[in-house]
Amino acid sequence: AQSVTQLGSHVSVSEGALVLLRCNYSSSVPPYLFWYVQYPNQGLQLLLKYTSAATLVKGINGFEAEFKKSETSFHLTKPSAHMRDAAEYFCAVRNSGGSNYKLTFGKGTLLTVNP
Amino acid sequence: KAGVTQTPRYLIKTRGQQVTLSCSPISGHRSVSWYQQTPGQGLQFLFEYFSETQRNKGNFPGRFSGRQFSNSRSEMNVSTLELGDSALYLCASSPGGTSFPQRIVYEQYFGPGTRLTVT
Repeated sequence: AQSVTQLGSHVSVSEGALVLLRCNYSSSVPPYLFWYVQYPNQGLQLLLKYTSAATLVKGINGFEAEFKKSETSFHLTKPSAHMRDAAEYFCAVRNSGGSNYKLTFGKGTLLTVNP
Repeated sequence: KAGVTQTPRYLIKTRGQQVTLSCSPISGHRSVSWYQQTPGQGLQFLFEYFSETQRNKGNFPGRFSGRQFSNSRSEMNVSTLELGDSALYLCASSPGGTSFPQRIVYEQYFGPGTRLTVT
């Protein structure tokens, strides 16, 4: 069984400040990990993915995440927040074995960016 | 390439009715997955189809069913609607399968969703 815990359902930062969204996972097999963003009334857009290559993964819109196996974490960061980053962010895990495409999502973190 | 399309975008149904939602994946993609998103339960996996076969299934009652056609388009059906079925239903497409000799981790591309309201 696999699961994802996102710490903090709501994170608020000032424009230009560091963004840190936390994600911890549980998986019985080596995982694939993903971060998605959802803007109001839209579907999910992939920000980045970890697939057992480099532990530091760079994504779109200036986001990056670091896979830390010892901490079972995959936190999302961005050095400087923009107003357009305000959205809901979801961390997801998927088994690396076979052709399993089931994503298990965290509950999401709503990011607010204050001017 | 056109993205994943879902129809209709909004739907209002009455308790006890049934509903069919449609998803057209990205051209060339053979895997289609469905997810239910609600404020209380978050995003939950319903099922995944690949080449017209259900390959994975989540923990939903039998009222939720799906199918995939030979052109990879997929439909999901919910019978005997309940108030708790009100949700955003998201479809995701992926190339699916496994690449050889180097395994590529195919990502999933989501559609905009169908907002179902059950009254």
